[in-house]
Parts: sequence; structure tokens; C-alpha cells
Amino acid sequence: ETGVTQTPRHLVMGMTNKKSLKCEQHLGHNAMYWYKQSAKKPLELMFVYNFKEQTENNSVPSRFSPECPNSSHLFLHLHTLQPEDSALYLCASSQESQGALETQYFGPGTRLLVL
Amino acid sequence: AQSVTQLDSHVSVSEGTPVLLRCNYSSSYSPSLFWYVQHPNKGLQLLLKYTSAATLVKGINGFEAEFKKSETSFHLTKPSAHMSDAAEYFCVVTQRNQGGKLIFGQGTELSVKP
Repeated sequence: ETGVTQTPRHLVMGMTNKKSLKCEQHLGHNAMYWYKQSAKKPLELMFVYNFKEQTENNSVPSRFSPECPNSSHLFLHLHTLQPEDSALYLCASSQESQGALETQYFGPGTRLLVL
Repeated sequence: AQSVTQLDSHVSVSEGTPVLLRCNYSSSYSPSLFWYVQHPNKGLQLLLKYTSAATLVKGINGFEAEFKKSETSFHLTKPSAHMSDAAEYFCVVTQRNQGGKLIFGQGTELSVKP
């Protein structure tokens, strides 16, 4: 679990706030992911970054804005969120090479509550 | 298209008895399959994975799963449950040409009674 860290672990914000979630991986991986885990629903892939380039945007609303400044760090910027955005946001990383499927390692998540 | 179905949303066993968590998948090509575990307020931890090698896969903490192509199943088993096994378990499928995109099942909550 210490290979991928996420901060903060818990966040409460109003609908007009702007906040950012941070993810850092210490595994030397080149791909990073954001997932959303809502109650009673399967994990939803939000974004994929491969070699710092966004390769997947899974129809995520623009109020979620990812940023990947380098292969070790991934941010999720939040603004004007809705109460239905309350969820556990999980970050993951993996080593991708020519489509080879390597295991994704997950962080502990940020529990977000939007009031 | 790929999909994964976990047949039970909740399984309850007694400590020391066998565990069976069922998973069926659908995939157009040869899939890779994973089981992840999530303890309360924790991230997901990989238990085991199948990537077209041996069909019986052994994982951590005494868990194993068998890939059965004819039944499109990848059930997770453990001979003897421990209290610490109580958690949410996710079956996951992906394909080589999907760029690492994982498809998660809805999860099975495992309860272990003393």
C-alpha cells in the first residue's frame, strides 16, 4: 500500500469550493489512473495517463480536471462539484510496455463528501 | 465487449470453513483476470491474476482461483476462512488490446463469523 500514496485521505467540500486530490507512486511506473468508487456500484475508470500523456477520458464531466506533471505524480482538480460526486477516489499505477498488461497497484483512496 | 459478473453480493462463512466467491466473465479475446481485495477504508490489494499461463492460480493469504474457459468462470476459493479475510472482493477482467483498462465486477462482501 505504501507504493501508491494519496492525500488527503478524507475531504469535505461545498459545491462552490475548489480542491485538489494528489497521488504519488514510488514504484517507477509509467502509467497512472484515477478511479471513482461509489456505493453499490463497480469501480469506474475516469482517466488514464501513459508516459504523462492522457490516453483515456471516460466521459468524465469537466468539473473533474486531471493533471500529470511527471510519471510519479497525478492530481485531480475539483471545482463546482455536485453531491452525487461524493465517493471514494482511487489512484493506481502500473508499468505499461507495448500493450503488455501489468498489474495495477492502488492507493488507499480519498473519501470525498460534497455538501 | 468485456464484462464481469460476481454472482453473489454477499457471502457469509464461519471461521475455518471454505470460501467460494463466484465470478463469470465475458470477453471477445483471451482475457486476463484478477481478484482484488478491499478492506474497510483501504485501497485495493491484488490477490492473484491469470494471464494465460497455468489455469490454477495461487495468490496471497491462501487464496486461489481456477480459470475455466468452457464455463467462462474464475471463481475464488480458500480452504479455511480466517477472521481477517472479511472484506470486499472484486473480480476484474481486461484484454491485451485494451491498454490496461480494467472492468470491475460489482464486488462480493465476505463476512466471517467466529
